[in-house]
Amino acid sequence: NAGVTQTPKFQVLKTGQSMTLQCAQDMNHEYMSWYRQDPGMGLRLIHYSVGAGITDQGEVPNGYNVSRSTTEDFPLRLLSAAPSQTSVYFCASSYSAGKQFFGPGTRLTVL
Amino acid sequence: DQQVKQNSPSLSVQEGRISILNCDYTNSMFDYFLWYKKYPAEGPTFLISISSIKDKNEDGRFTVFLNKSAKHLSLHIVPSQPGDSAVYFCAASETSYDKVIFGPGTSLSVIP
Repeated sequence: NAGVTQTPKFQVLKTGQSMTLQCAQDMNHEYMSWYRQDPGMGLRLIHYSVGAGITDQGEVPNGYNVSRSTTEDFPLRLLSAAPSQTSVYFCASSYSAGKQFFGPGTRLTVL
Repeated sequence: DQQVKQNSPSLSVQEGRISILNCDYTNSMFDYFLWYKKYPAEGPTFLISISSIKDKNEDGRFTVFLNKSAKHLSLHIVPSQPGDSAVYFCAASETSYDKVIFGPGTSLSVIP
């Protein structure tokens, strides 16, 4: 099993550009989530999904969209990138919300 | 407002001694608590969890204690090893099927 994979590993964007961070898991997990990690702030929940077709907002959803058309994939879309979205993004999956398996992260810089 | 707080950004401990990492929460609906460990340039990994029906859970060198009345939990690592040097995140959810909220983390350094 590959576990949770994230692409790309690194990305540099200009302000106003859009992009999609990809996340996929091969463990047949129903629960998937996106976090961003910033210094001193820990991991903050952006969006999460409890199954295909179901998504909900986390603590910091503004500026991000998600969809969950399949169990395996949970892409995160930045609609119009801003410097405040410079961060490390982690995707996670689990059978339930508790014991989550995290991907390796995407380091995003917005200039 | 942070619902999960880890008031010590960093902690240094001698190898072989006990490491105690603390976590406080404000949401009385939280019922399920977890600790994750994170090395640089890697994703967090699950360490240990506890539900509110228990006040203690052990897994090898790691023990988590929960005091619901004080809205406080702690992670004990005994004995501490240099490989335990990492950032430790406390996390909580209202049920095991609800969203998980993380604290800001505590960076542990175990000195040989």
